[in-house]
Amino acid sequence: DTVMTQSPDSLAVSLGERATINCKSSQSVLGSNNKNYLAWYQQKPGQPPKLLIYWASTRESGVPDRFSGSGSGTDFTLTISSLQAEDVAVYYCQQYYRIPPTFGQGTKVEVK
Amino acid sequence: QVQLMQSGAEVKKPGASVKVSCKASGYTFTSYGIHWVRQAPGQRLEWMGWINSGEGNTMYSQKFQGRVTITGDTSASTAYMELSSLRSEDTAVYYCARGVGSTLYSVSDIWGQGTMVTVSS
Repeated sequence: DTVMTQSPDSLAVSLGERATINCKSSQSVLGSNNKNYLAWYQQKPGQPPKLLIYWASTRESGVPDRFSGSGSGTDFTLTISSLQAEDVAVYYCQQYYRIPPTFGQGTKVEVK
Repeated sequence: QVQLMQSGAEVKKPGASVKVSCKASGYTFTSYGIHWVRQAPGQRLEWMGWINSGEGNTMYSQKFQGRVTITGDTSASTAYMELSSLRSEDTAVYYCARGVGSTLYSVSDIWGQGTMVTVSS
């Protein structure tokens, strides 16, 4: 299986500051269509995951533009440009290029 | 609005089976696949399998092969996930999630609320 490793496991950021989460895949998730099969989800306590980003950098409809995704191949980043209180959550990356689809271990984002 | 509504919490004994339902509304059920994902306490999300809701073909994670069966009822816009030979390690929240499009290689844009399955003697 493709192993997804996120770093850090947790981070505390001041309101209005930038938060950066990294995700590394054990195998490339770049398809022959030149798209990276990499998604980011946000999960708040007691709720299901919410899709934020797909194709590594495409924001889902309704997701604030302070969330952005970048990267290619095996290394990816989720950036929250200006942390808001409602962004406190666990964030997961997922590859959907190889079967089975696999998720990172999650990164917990808190307010400093 | 587009939503997936799952059946309620279950408590099962080791060795038993559980069947979780996932009713879709607000969209054409047969135009999208359904993924099943579980989350054990403190663990990462784990993909179990997928069904093409229109054609009925399925794909399962090798980890669950032989124990999981995913089916769909197009007349009821409902997908089902049955897990057999339950053990304590199967205690988890089970989610259904809509796959974007009818392909297996898809992200999940709509999620059910989750179904807690507890396996305990």
